[in-house]
Amino acid sequence: NAGVTQTPKFRILKIGQSMTLQCAQDMNHNYMYWYRQDPGMGLKLIYYSVGAGITDKGEVPNGYNVSRSTTEDFPLRLELAAPSQTSVYFCASSLTGGSNQPQHFGDGTRLSIL
Amino acid sequence: EDQVTQSPEALRLQEGESSSLNCSYTVSGLRGLFWYRQDPGKGPEFLFTLYSAGEEKEKERLKATLTKKESFLHITAPKPEDSATYLCAAIPRGSSNTGKLIFGQGTTLQVKP
Repeated sequence: NAGVTQTPKFRILKIGQSMTLQCAQDMNHNYMYWYRQDPGMGLKLIYYSVGAGITDKGEVPNGYNVSRSTTEDFPLRLELAAPSQTSVYFCASSLTGGSNQPQHFGDGTRLSIL
Repeated sequence: EDQVTQSPEALRLQEGESSSLNCSYTVSGLRGLFWYRQDPGKGPEFLFTLYSAGEEKEKERLKATLTKKESFLHITAPKPEDSATYLCAAIPRGSSNTGKLIFGQGTTLQVKP
């Protein structure tokens, strides 16, 4: 079982470039999440989805977009990269949003904007 | 405002030296308190979920406890392989259907042989 797979693992972008961070899960989970992790700041929720076709903003959505066309995939789009978006990005999934269902995380994408 | 705060930020222990990590929370109607372990270059790995004050859960050298204001992760006789960052996260009442977690900043534990 692969769990949650994120690609790429590392990426360097120039200011103003665009890119898509990929996330796929093979556990048939309905709920998926995107977080960013900055040093000393913990994980902050960017966007989440409760099922295919349904997405909503988290705590820090500005500068990002998402889509959820299938249960398995939840890509995160950066349209105009800015230095403030340098971070480690984690995708997670869970069967439901209930507190009895822990989120399973991928190993992250480390993104630098120069 | 819902908030989760962890202390200390970093902790160095000698192998075998027991200690505790703290997670204080101010959350409206706690629905669950999670502990995760994160190794360098990896994503968080689930350890425990606690639901109500007085609850305890154990796994090998780790024991998590919960009160109405904080949670502790007790590490008994740690080994170097316990070195990692430990994260706690809470689900408040308002997020009980979405699973939106509020994370603390984490405690980075280093256990020296």
